[in-house]
Amino acid sequence: DGGITQSPKYLFRKEGQNVTLSCEQNLNHDAMYWYRQDPGQGLRLIYYSQIVNDFQKGDIAEGYSVSREKKESFPLTVTSAQKNPTAFYLCASSVTKNTEAFFGQGTRLTVV
Amino acid sequence: AQKITQTQPGMFVQEKEAVTLDCTYDTSDQSYGLFWYKQPSSGEMIFLIYQGSYDEQNATEGRYSLNFQKARKSANLVISASQLGDSAMYFCAMREPNLTQGGSEKLVFGKGTKLTVNP
Repeated sequence: DGGITQSPKYLFRKEGQNVTLSCEQNLNHDAMYWYRQDPGQGLRLIYYSQIVNDFQKGDIAEGYSVSREKKESFPLTVTSAQKNPTAFYLCASSVTKNTEAFFGQGTRLTVV
Repeated sequence: AQKITQTQPGMFVQEKEAVTLDCTYDTSDQSYGLFWYKQPSSGEMIFLIYQGSYDEQNATEGRYSLNFQKARKSANLVISASQLGDSAMYFCAMREPNLTQGGSEKLVFGKGTKLTVNP
């Protein structure tokens, strides 16, 4: 089945450690996005990528990094510079130009 | 500046009645797309409906319709005949070109409205 897969579903890390969230899609979509959602809040854009080897900062990119070496993959690294990383992270992909984005199931990151 | 504004943190509706969820947006571009998503308590994001800025007709998808008022920059979601399963968070979103990065597009979301359908 075509879709977008995020792993793991739950992730626990110690404070000060970097952690990488996986996002893979087999929909042949060009665009991919990473969002952060805090309890009771909307989705805030972290990074997005339109094509391989290119990505742009969203509204809250500080403390995060991404790569887009393959069309299918857009991993997000939460670095130790991110002061409050505990949140629900959603990855999405879309064909560009006025089509809906498809979302993964999300990764809930808890830093202890 | 906030691009998408949803002014209703929470809404209540009786089962089988209609409800309107408000969304206003801010953009200087002529070409953009507006979307509504539903997020149940499970956390998944479910696409509901899309409206393009050049579409003359209001979008409809089953029980969902979008009341698009371009001059007012408003894209309200109307849910007819509410069902208990409609209880969820609803997010309005907009895709617009990133003028500083030619060819790329941002997809930004509002803060959402929590809809509760009462039996």
